[in-house]
Amino acid sequence: EVQLLESGGGLVQPGGSLRLSCAASGFTFSSYAMSWVRQAPGKGLEWVSAISGSGGSTYYADSVKGRFTISRDNSKNTLYLQMNSLRAEDTAVYYCAKVADIVVVPAAIHDYWGQGTLVTVSS
Amino acid sequence: QSVLTQPPSVSGAPGQRVTISCTGSSSNIGAGYDVHWYQQLPGTAPKLLIYGNSNRPSGVPDRFSGSKSGTSASLAITGLQAEDEADYYCQSYDSSLRDWVFGGGTKLTVL
Repeated sequence: EVQLLESGGGLVQPGGSLRLSCAASGFTFSSYAMSWVRQAPGKGLEWVSAISGSGGSTYYADSVKGRFTISRDNSKNTLYLQMNSLRAEDTAVYYCAKVADIVVVPAAIHDYWGQGTLVTVSS
Repeated sequence: QSVLTQPPSVSGAPGQRVTISCTGSSSNIGAGYDVHWYQQLPGTAPKLLIYGNSNRPSGVPDRFSGSKSGTSASLAITGLQAEDEADYYCQSYDSSLRDWVFGGGTKLTVL
């Protein structure tokens, strides 16, 4: 059974940093790309970042480019999102999602999702 | 303002059929990129409902179906049940933005 468990969320001041983790199990982690998708309170879904199965290719939404860094440790079956220079508009539940391919393709399907971790940016 | 436009809400009585539209443009759906649909039950994470425009993952009832034509896609739900009450999101890829994009979401209410 595929399981994705996010952690690392919390309250942070504007301009601060936070590192999210997503522990994966139930599938061969290195064989699949992964994504982070966020959902602001009461709002819709927004794709944030993606990484290939090898970790060699990374992708970012313009809204987080230069501030967020996605990475993965295939030996630990764990996905990360380093978030710097956080803004109030980054407040959201952050979901990690498994992609149904090893590479990140335009037709990327997010076939499994974690339960999410809440990040609140406020003074 | 989402790149993919969905109606904010739809409703139907138990047993009825409802459809949810997802309207894009020539840089996303109209460019031939696949559309996927996700169901988000209240207080839970999204779940893949339809992939590749019209395919159902294992375990998804055949009451759910998807289609795509031109710059739009649709999700149809037949034999509406109370447990279908949820938010539904479409997703595709936009070549102008070079991003994966979601619709704004549609809240389905079962009357």
